[in-house]
Amino acid sequence: NAGVTQTPKFRVLKTGQSMTLLCAQDMNHEYMYWYRQDPGMGLRLIHYSVGEGTTAKGEVPDGYNVSRLKKQNFLLGLESAAPSQTSVYFCASRRTGTQNNYGYTFGSGTRLTVV
Amino acid sequence: GEDVEQSLFLSVREGDSSVINCTYTDSSSTYLYWYKQEPGAGLQLLTYIFSNMDMKQDQRLTVLLNKKDKHLSLRIADTQTGDSAIYFCAERISGGGADGLTFGKGTHLIIQP
Repeated sequence: NAGVTQTPKFRVLKTGQSMTLLCAQDMNHEYMYWYRQDPGMGLRLIHYSVGEGTTAKGEVPDGYNVSRLKKQNFLLGLESAAPSQTSVYFCASRRTGTQNNYGYTFGSGTRLTVV
Repeated sequence: GEDVEQSLFLSVREGDSSVINCTYTDSSSTYLYWYKQEPGAGLQLLTYIFSNMDMKQDQRLTVLLNKKDKHLSLRIADTQTGDSAIYFCAERISGGGADGLTFGKGTHLIIQP
């Protein structure tokens, strides 16, 4: 049982390049989230998904796109990377329903540097 | 609006108790969480408390919730060097569009020998 797996763990991009971050969970969770973590800023929600085929914007969605074609995968895309997108990206998932409230399961993060 | 506030640093001596404080603004919070992040690692769920509870204890961890003042605290008894990390307070607001978590900026817990 791997939980939430993020790939890659590290990446360096040049300004203007594109890339996709992959998040995979094997817990059959309905909800999935992408956060970014910047020094002194805590974690901020980029996009989220409440189920396969659905996505929605979070607090800081500009410059990112997402897709949830399969329930277990949530992809975060950067179409044209900018230095302001240098950050650590965390994916999280959780089950729906009021019975389970043990919190959200986080991946170990992707450290992205845009030069 | 949603806002979660924490002090940035806390320094304690090994063996003493650590108390990390958090305030939140949204009264519709349903669950409040404490996460621990060690250097270079992801977020580890430490504990959570439902908004209709006042206290929750789990081994060395005690969570106190004052709903009237919107104040949450995490007490770590007998603080050890392995407790050195960043501690994040987070609230979950039910019924909001995002249904995600709103995090504080994190408190760096520094352990002095």
